[in-house]
Amino acid sequence: GQQVMQIPQYQHVQEGEDFTTYCNSSTTLSNIQWYKQRPGGHPVFLIQLVKSGEVKKQKRLTFQFGEAKKNSSLHITATQTTDVGTYFCAGPLMGSARQLTFGSGTQLTVLP
Amino acid sequence: GAGVSQTPSNKVTEKGKYVELRCDPISGHTALYWYRQSLGQGPEFLIYFQGTGAADDSGLPNDRFFAVRPEGSVSTLKIQRTERGDSAVYLCASSLMGGADTEAFFGQGTRLTVV
Repeated sequence: GQQVMQIPQYQHVQEGEDFTTYCNSSTTLSNIQWYKQRPGGHPVFLIQLVKSGEVKKQKRLTFQFGEAKKNSSLHITATQTTDVGTYFCAGPLMGSARQLTFGSGTQLTVLP
Repeated sequence: GAGVSQTPSNKVTEKGKYVELRCDPISGHTALYWYRQSLGQGPEFLIYFQGTGAADDSGLPNDRFFAVRPEGSVSTLKIQRTERGDSAVYLCASSLMGGADTEAFFGQGTRLTVV
């Protein structure tokens, strides 16, 4: 079945270092969403990408949607301790426009 | 309300018992989703409501799971004959219009532990 894979599963960085997480789908996605979940918290929507090759920025966060619309990445420049959490990508399941399939997430730890 | 509200926040039940989990979505949001999240995993889709009707229940794992949304607002997820494998955080989300291209707002979740 359709899967959304994320790598790496865990990432430890020193504060100030950059961080990137990658998301890959087995099928073409109409759109991809990114969520952040703080430890003990719930997923919070960050952004949605729709167009092939789209790049969006939110302050130190840069989101990219691949040309084939099967992969995406989230890059954080100069990480801060407030960036700690698990980052999930999510895309619509093929054949259903109603439900999102979430990746397994990348858990980011930022060491002060 | 200000956000999606879920009650209880924690529920411990014995194997074989029946439980109900409640979700109060953001006022005016027509779409409501239930997800289940196990430790170290992403949320797993269970069911989606548009208004009062279950538009997609393909994620419900078996017939022990059932959800309702009788007035198109509050929803209840019901689990019969609970099993230890049902232990997880059950997340509810709502969105203004629905569909997988709409921002979903998640509640804090209900942590269900079956002992």
